[in-house]
Amino acid sequence: QQPVQSPQAVILREGEDAVINCSSSKALYSVHWYRQKHGEAPVFLMILLKGGEQKGHEKISASFNEKKQQSSLYLTASQLSYSGTYFCARPENSGYSTLTFGKGTMLLVSP
Amino acid sequence: NAGVTQTPKFRVLKTGQSMTLLCAQDMNHEYMYWYRQDPGMGLRLIHYSVGEGTTAKGEVPDGYNVSRLKKQNFLLGLESAAPSQTSVYFCASSRTGTATYNEQFFGPGTRLTVL
Repeated sequence: QQPVQSPQAVILREGEDAVINCSSSKALYSVHWYRQKHGEAPVFLMILLKGGEQKGHEKISASFNEKKQQSSLYLTASQLSYSGTYFCARPENSGYSTLTFGKGTMLLVSP
Repeated sequence: NAGVTQTPKFRVLKTGQSMTLLCAQDMNHEYMYWYRQDPGMGLRLIHYSVGEGTTAKGEVPDGYNVSRLKKQNFLLGLESAAPSQTSVYFCASSRTGTATYNEQFFGPGTRLTVL
């Protein structure tokens, strides 16, 4: 069962903030975030390993609540280059494991 | 470093035809994966490999076969293509397969249309 992402799509003006949420009905040992620009391959953004831990990438940060099995991606002062589809992914177990990806959240930043 | 490369970039098949997609990586990664991406569905795992000579089924393996005869190459085969296999196919590789350090590097994708 895939992680559930919300919202499905977001439209922003440059400089605005956005939050993308990811929740899982299965245990979250870690959360992985990827971004895919239109017509390109997905690119790794970050991994969150511990409950409550926050990591950052440019002006993109994320949080991970292990108990609630949720993660949120925060995009601050969005830039045109942030446009794309954002995916969260979770490993299937705590050891060696494949990833299961969510269906994605499409983000469009306009001038 | 070329990273992960895929061949071909585009392909059109007729129902019932067969083809092989080639994925190559030059990062000496142990793990390799094949995903398909359909609109609104995200990335779904078809097959994966944890090392040379090994393969395993993912979430949507039916209609596909794979082989990993060399560490750097991972082949995806369609024996008898069906319109439902129209999709964009991505190959990926990772140094390890652990939950904590599983950064995956993706190839540019192959857009396959089955008529």
